[in-house]
Amino acid sequence: NAGVTQTPKFQVLKTGQSMTLQCAQDMNHEYMSWYRQDPGMGLRLIHYSVGAGITDQGEVPNGYNVSRSTTEDFPLRLLSAAPSQTSVYFCASSYSRDDIQYFGAGTRLSVL
Amino acid sequence: GENVEQHPSTLSVQEGDSAVIKCTYSDSASNYFPWYKQELGKGPQLIIDIRSNVGEKKDQRIAVTLNKTAKHFSLHITETQPEDSAVYFCAASNPLNYNQGGKLIFGQGTELSVKP
Repeated sequence: NAGVTQTPKFQVLKTGQSMTLQCAQDMNHEYMSWYRQDPGMGLRLIHYSVGAGITDQGEVPNGYNVSRSTTEDFPLRLLSAAPSQTSVYFCASSYSRDDIQYFGAGTRLSVL
Repeated sequence: GENVEQHPSTLSVQEGDSAVIKCTYSDSASNYFPWYKQELGKGPQLIIDIRSNVGEKKDQRIAVTLNKTAKHFSLHITETQPEDSAVYFCAASNPLNYNQGGKLIFGQGTELSVKP
């Protein structure tokens, strides 16, 4: 069982560059989320989706875009990377709003 | 806004001792409280969860207690083993945020170290 798959595992960007973090799940989950993890701050919600074609902002959405064209995929886009976006990013999915969230292994991003 | 405070930030215990991690939440309507374990280089994994209609839940060496009046919940690990060493996160969810399905507010994390 693949579960939640994130790519890449590591990425280094220069300020101003753009990139897309990929997230895919094979559990037919409706709910998917993106979090960022920073030291001493736990995990903070960036964007989430309650189903294909539906997305909304979380706690820290600025500088990030998402789309959900299929149930399986939920990519996170950085349009113009900034050093403040240096973090570890986690994608998560769950079957329903009250169900267990399953996390991917994370993408460690450094913006120079 | 909604907030979850977690203490301590680091915890070191001897193998075989017990470990307790505590969390306090601000949103009184929260009714789902999961605990996640994150090993180095991996994503968080659910280890136990509790809902507000239950005061305590146990799964082998792990237990969680909930005090809704005081708005705090705790993770208890007994007979700790070196493989319990990891970062532990508590979280809380308010089901009234209907359109935010599965939205969790996380604590800051506790780094647990179990010394052989």
